[in-house]
Amino acid sequence: GEEVAQTPKHLVRGEGQKAKLYCAPIKGHSYVFWYQQVLKNEFKFLISFQNENVFDETGMPKERFSAKCLPNSPCSLEIQATKLEDSAVYFCASSRLPGSPGTEAFFGQGTRLTVV
Amino acid sequence: KNEVEQSPQNLTAQEGEFITINCSYSVGISALHWLQQHPGGGIVSLFMLSSGKKKHGRLIATINIQEKHSSLHITASHPRDSAVYICAVRSGNQFYFGTGTSLTVIP
Repeated sequence: GEEVAQTPKHLVRGEGQKAKLYCAPIKGHSYVFWYQQVLKNEFKFLISFQNENVFDETGMPKERFSAKCLPNSPCSLEIQATKLEDSAVYFCASSRLPGSPGTEAFFGQGTRLTVV
Repeated sequence: KNEVEQSPQNLTAQEGEFITINCSYSVGISALHWLQQHPGGGIVSLFMLSSGKKKHGRLIATINIQEKHSSLHITASHPRDSAVYICAVRSGNQFYFGTGTSLTVIP
């Protein structure tokens, strides 16, 4: 069935190490969104893409975070020099169209990043 | 003020009880999602609604666009329904998330 695939499910990094997370959107979906869940149910928007173009990056901490969506590859979110406060669950979602009524978005299961 | 408010924050029920979780939002939306998150973090999409009502097994979700309100109902609740239920709305190209309802169903 249709599924947004996020890998890995769990990632442990020492403080200062790099972390790279992947999100494979559903085939045919042009829009990809990344969210960070830090506190129990607090979701922070990071970045969205329309195909390989950044659509909205207002939530990205630019110093250490970067993201890409390249053709024929999973999208990626990379954190250079991780800090303890980066520990969170990172979710991505994809949809075929922008926010038109009835346009369904699908959420990935998330990647739990633990920085120790 | 949050764009999405959920109630209750915490809910404990006996197995078999009928459960209702409410979600109110203040922004214009194109869709509303009900998500389920189990301990360990993984998210499962339960429903996407833009109008009316949807049913899947023991779960029913309704939305009233005029009142900007949605409800998630669980009939004949079971301990495996214990999870956090999150209401998320799509407004333009942003999602806004409720703070979740933590449900515990006791056998």
